[in-house]
Order: sequence, then C-alpha cells, then structure tokens
Amino acid sequence: QKEVEQNSGPLSVPEGAIASLNCTYSDRGSQSFFWYRQYSGKSPELIMFIYSNGDKEDGRFTAQLNKASQYVSLLIRDSQPSDSATYLCAVKRNTDKLIFGTGTRLQVFP
Amino acid sequence: ETGVTQSPTHLIKTRGQQVTLRCSSQSGHNTVSWYQQALGQGPQFIFQYYREEENGRGNFPPRFSGLQFPNYSSELNVNALELDDSALYLCASSFQLSETQYFGPGTRLLVL
Repeated sequence: QKEVEQNSGPLSVPEGAIASLNCTYSDRGSQSFFWYRQYSGKSPELIMFIYSNGDKEDGRFTAQLNKASQYVSLLIRDSQPSDSATYLCAVKRNTDKLIFGTGTRLQVFP
Repeated sequence: ETGVTQSPTHLIKTRGQQVTLRCSSQSGHNTVSWYQQALGQGPQFIFQYYREEENGRGNFPPRFSGLQFPNYSSELNVNALELDDSALYLCASSFQLSETQYFGPGTRLLVL
C-alpha cells in the first residue's frame, strides 16, 4: 500500500464546474496535509494546507480533511482552463519530510 | 515566486560523472529539503538540512550527499551518476522544521 494515494486521472471538467480531487494516506501519525499545483515542466506551487478535521476555504479552493477516514480532498469551484495542471497531495508528520502522492492531472475544458 | 532559487536550471551529464546542484533558501528560512521527481511521479524525499545539520534522509544511496552553509543555502551532490538519476531535482525551504515548505524552480538533470 502506498503511503499517499491519488487517482492519476485525467479528471476532465467543464469550465465553471466544481473539480473534486481526492487523496488517501496510510500513516495515522500524519499531522499536516498539503495541496500543491504543478504545471507541466514547472515546480510544485503551494495551494493550501490543512491541519484540523473539517473544511478550510481560500478563495475558489476548499480543502477537506477527515482523519478518521484518512482522507483529504481539494475542491476547486468555478474551474478555469488555467487550473489545468497536476495536483499533488502531500502529508507530513510534525518535523518530518513531505510524502507525496503521484498527483492527479486535472483538465478543464472551455 | 517563492524566493527559493536553484542553479543550474538544466544539466546534461554522462553516466559515471558527478554533479553539484545548488539552492538558495527564502530569506529567513533555516530548513532546506531536497526532493527527486521522476517523470510522472510525485517528488521523493532525499534529505533535509536544518541549521547546517542533516535532519533526516530518504531511501537514497550514499552517493547522494549534501550540505548546508551558514547562510542556509544548500548543495546536493550526486556521484557516479546513473541513467535513473535523470529527474527534476527540487529544493524546498521552510522557516522551521514543522513549517510549510516552498519549492524552488528545480534543476532538470539528464544523464546519458
């Protein structure tokens, strides 16, 4: 079992729709959860982080965390073609390394 | 822009050679982590430096080594390059060990 699992996609959504990206993790000691966006050929860019169960909203993005189910998700509202990228889920213990999933490729079509 | 810089941006080496990659952390950040990202994969943790000391290492052989300088910039050295070392090498800095990591633009290494 991989430590962080994501569906590789591609996830295709029409412009203006809600994109839902999911991630599961195996280590119950994980304390911090991150979503990074990575455009082709570029480095990962931090979108959001979440530490506590529940929802955290930042503009069009909402991160959801359920530690009991070991599940993290990212919702992108009003998806735009510029949101087309690979979305990487990462988890971390307190002072430990980031552990990444393989990423989900999102395609937003006009 | 995160304020984390890396050099060079691209590099081509041949098998068996040695390479040094460099990273300057964001101002005020004392922690640097290095990751390797193969094509189609997520970044894999190589090692982390905190205040000039190694603070953890991933599942990489000893030919991957590094150091951190007093100004918190860092180097990644890879000896005896292998074809499988071809990847994007990412440096990430953070204010403290537990804080959010911000990535530099990466160095793309191709080993022929």
